[in-house]
Amino acid sequence: QKEVEQNSGPLSVPEGAIASLNCTYSDRGSQSFFWYRQYSGKSPELIMFIYSNGDKEDGRFTAQLNKASQYVSLLIRDSQPSDSATYLCAVNSLTGGGNKLTFGTGTQLKVEL
Amino acid sequence: DGGITQSPKYLFRKEGQNVTLSCEQNLNHDAMYWYRQDPGQGLRLIYYSQIVNDFQKGDIAEGYSVSREKKESFPLTVTSAQKNPTAFYLCASRSGRANEKLLFGSGTQLSVL
Repeated sequence: QKEVEQNSGPLSVPEGAIASLNCTYSDRGSQSFFWYRQYSGKSPELIMFIYSNGDKEDGRFTAQLNKASQYVSLLIRDSQPSDSATYLCAVNSLTGGGNKLTFGTGTQLKVEL
Repeated sequence: DGGITQSPKYLFRKEGQNVTLSCEQNLNHDAMYWYRQDPGQGLRLIYYSQIVNDFQKGDIAEGYSVSREKKESFPLTVTSAQKNPTAFYLCASRSGRANEKLLFGSGTQLSVL
């Protein structure tokens, strides 16, 4: 089982719709969770982070965390063509004395006109 | 402006050659990381360092070496033992406090001649 799993996609949504991206993780000791957006050929940029169970909203983005189910998601409201990118889920673990982020393989999102 | 600088942007390696990728940060961050990204894949951790003069292997350290002689610098050497070095290499840093977000440099694309 991979430590962090995402559906690779592509996920296609029409402009203006809600895009829902999902991520599961295996380490129950994980404490913090991040969503990065990556355009082709560019480095990842942080768009959301969440530490506590529940929802966290920032503009058009909402991160949702359920530690009991080991599940974190990202909702993008009013999707725009500029949101078309790969979204990487990252999970921070302190297991084994390390302090490192483990990334999923990413979900490709396509927002269609 | 504070940030992470990677150089060069593109690098070509001849067979049997060692090459070094540069990563410098002026954010006063304690922790620095090297990730490798293959096309359509997520980020895989090569090495990381949480403090000067100390570093730990990540998930795919074989064929790579690092040093951390200064807080600002964390160069990565891709040795001739790495038989499949073609990839996008990303350097990242963060403050070192647990669960802090990771910031990335702009990346180096390494190709084999």
